[in-house]
Amino acid sequence: EVQLLESGGGLVQPGGSLRLSCAASGFTFSSFAMNWVRQAPGKGLAWVSAISASGGITYYADSVKGRFTISRDNSKNTLFLQMNSLRAEDTAVYYCAKGGGSTPDYFDYWGQGTLVPVSS
Amino acid sequence: QLVLTQSPSASASLGASVKLTCTLSSGHSSYAIAWHQQQPEKGPRYLMKFNSDGSHSKGDGIPDRFSGSSSGAERYLTISSLQSEDEADYYCQTWGTGILVFGGGTKLTVL
Repeated sequence: EVQLLESGGGLVQPGGSLRLSCAASGFTFSSFAMNWVRQAPGKGLAWVSAISASGGITYYADSVKGRFTISRDNSKNTLFLQMNSLRAEDTAVYYCAKGGGSTPDYFDYWGQGTLVPVSS
Repeated sequence: QLVLTQSPSASASLGASVKLTCTLSSGHSSYAIAWHQQQPEKGPRYLMKFNSDGSHSKGDGIPDRFSGSSSGAERYLTISSLQSEDEADYYCQTWGTGILVFGGGTKLTVL
């Protein structure tokens, strides 16, 4: 059974940093792209970042480019999102999502999400 | 620019069928998409991937009541024999080089 478990969320002040983690199990982690998707309160889903299976390809939404960094540790089956220079508009539930292939495409499994409120 | 357009809301009666639409932007009519469901207060759930040639693959445990189809730049999700638990937000999603995109979502109300 595929499981994705996010952690690291919590209240952070504007301008601050936070590192999210996603522990994966139930599939060959190193064979699939991984993604972060967020959902602001009362809003729709918004893709944030993607990383290929090997980690050699990374993509970012324009809204986070230069502030967020996606990475993965295939030896530990874990996905990360380093978030710097956080803004109020980054407030959202952040979901980890497994890709359908080795390069970023669609999402075929989702985590339960972790809440990141950005507020002073 | 790769964009997906969905109607904000739809409604249908219990036991009936409903067809949700997702429209790909100009120049992207051959793109595959995926459909995701988000029930109230829950995380998203993958429903299916739908290719422009009509081939598709469903997520684990997705019932046959959920089906996909397409016409030109439009991609459809049809839900038959509507049940109360089908009341949810439905998002289409696609991808290109360097970008992944969601539609704005359709809120389905089961009457």
